[in-house]
Amino acid sequence: NAGVTQTPKFQVLKTGQSMTLQCAQDMNHEYMSWYRQDPGMGLRLIHYSVGAGITDQGEVPNGYNVSRSTTEDFPLRLLSAAPSQTSVYFCASSYDYNSPLHFGNGTRLTVT
Amino acid sequence: AQSVTQPDIHITVSEGASLELRCNYSYGATPYLFWYVQSPGQGLQLLLKYFSGDTLVQGIKGFEAEFKRSQSSFNLRKPSVHWSDAAEYFCAVGDTFNAGGTSYGKLTFGQGTILTVHP
Repeated sequence: NAGVTQTPKFQVLKTGQSMTLQCAQDMNHEYMSWYRQDPGMGLRLIHYSVGAGITDQGEVPNGYNVSRSTTEDFPLRLLSAAPSQTSVYFCASSYDYNSPLHFGNGTRLTVT
Repeated sequence: AQSVTQPDIHITVSEGASLELRCNYSYGATPYLFWYVQSPGQGLQLLLKYFSGDTLVQGIKGFEAEFKRSQSSFNLRKPSVHWSDAAEYFCAVGDTFNAGGTSYGKLTFGQGTILTVHP
């Protein structure tokens, strides 16, 4: 059972470059979300989705885009990376509010 | 908007000692509360959750937490800590919303508490 799979595990970007962080889950969860984790700030919600074609903004959406074309995949796009986006990014999914969030192992992104 | 505060950034205990991690929340209605644990290089794993009913909830790995509405707190406890409990612990409050006939929850996390266990 793969659960939530994130790729890549590590990435270094230069300021202004773009990239996509991949997230896939095999649990048929409708709810998927992206968080960023920064020291002393916990996890902050970037974007979330409740099914294919439905996305919404979380607490810190600026600089990030998402789309949900399938139930399984929820990629996070950085169109023009900035040093402030250096962080560890987690994708998480769940069945509904009563079920736990299942987290991927994270992507550590450094923007120089 | 809801918020969560974990007052202790770092706690050190000796193996076998008792543990209490503090969590205070701000939420307008009845809160849904969670504790997650994160081992180094890993994602987060759910320890326990409170939705309603008994205010003392039991979780995995011998952890428990008590919901105190009057104090807006949801502290995590363990009577005897093991070296393998060393990790970072996150308290979270859930804000539910409905979409397509299903209720979902958006979680707001606290800043985290790093637990170090001395042998």
